[in-house]
Amino acid sequence: DAMVIQNPRYQVTQFGKPVTLSCSQTLNHNVMYWYQQKSSQAPKLLFHYYDKDFNNEADTPDNFQSRRPNTSFCFLDIRSPGLGDAAMYLCATSSGGPGSNQPQHFGDGTRLSIL
Amino acid sequence: DQQVKQNSPSLSVQEGRISILNCDYTNSMFDYFLWYKKYPAEGPTFLISISSIKDKNEDGRFTVFLNKSAKHLSLHIVPSQPGDSAVYFCAALTGGTSYGKLTFGQGTILTVHP
Repeated sequence: DAMVIQNPRYQVTQFGKPVTLSCSQTLNHNVMYWYQQKSSQAPKLLFHYYDKDFNNEADTPDNFQSRRPNTSFCFLDIRSPGLGDAAMYLCATSSGGPGSNQPQHFGDGTRLSIL
Repeated sequence: DQQVKQNSPSLSVQEGRISILNCDYTNSMFDYFLWYKKYPAEGPTFLISISSIKDKNEDGRFTVFLNKSAKHLSLHIVPSQPGDSAVYFCAALTGGTSYGKLTFGQGTILTVHP
């Protein structure tokens, strides 16, 4: 089945230690998104790639970076995680870009804990 | 500033009855709306969507109603089944398409009792 896969499902890191979360997709979608969801809150968009074009949300902290080396993979890098960065991180994909009505497809998320 | 609000954190319904999940929004620029369902330990799964040019969209047991003047939408599930028990998120977009920044509500936990 075509899908969005996030690795690892659970990630524990130390305060201030860089961490990378991974997302891959077999859907061949040209748009990939990263959302942050804290406990009992709504998912919040951090940034997205439309093909190779990176689009950062205005309120996304500089601590968060992303890389998309090819269509299939997208990474979320947190340079110096703080306790407030503990959350579920959701990757999503969609096809077509502006003008498309194809819904975003989500992975199962990576739950990040900070010690 | 919560632009999409789901004011009921939870809803409990008997199997076979109707489930009605509500969502309100404040941004009049939103013109495309989606409902996602989320099971524990899984990502959100797309359920149904509606464009602002419509007031109703139906897909099997699921119907979404949009009242633009009231900035309100609702998801009706008829008949409800135990397998529908999940968290339901309302989400909104601008630009009339599903591309771009999804603004989510906080979610409503639906429990359908056998």
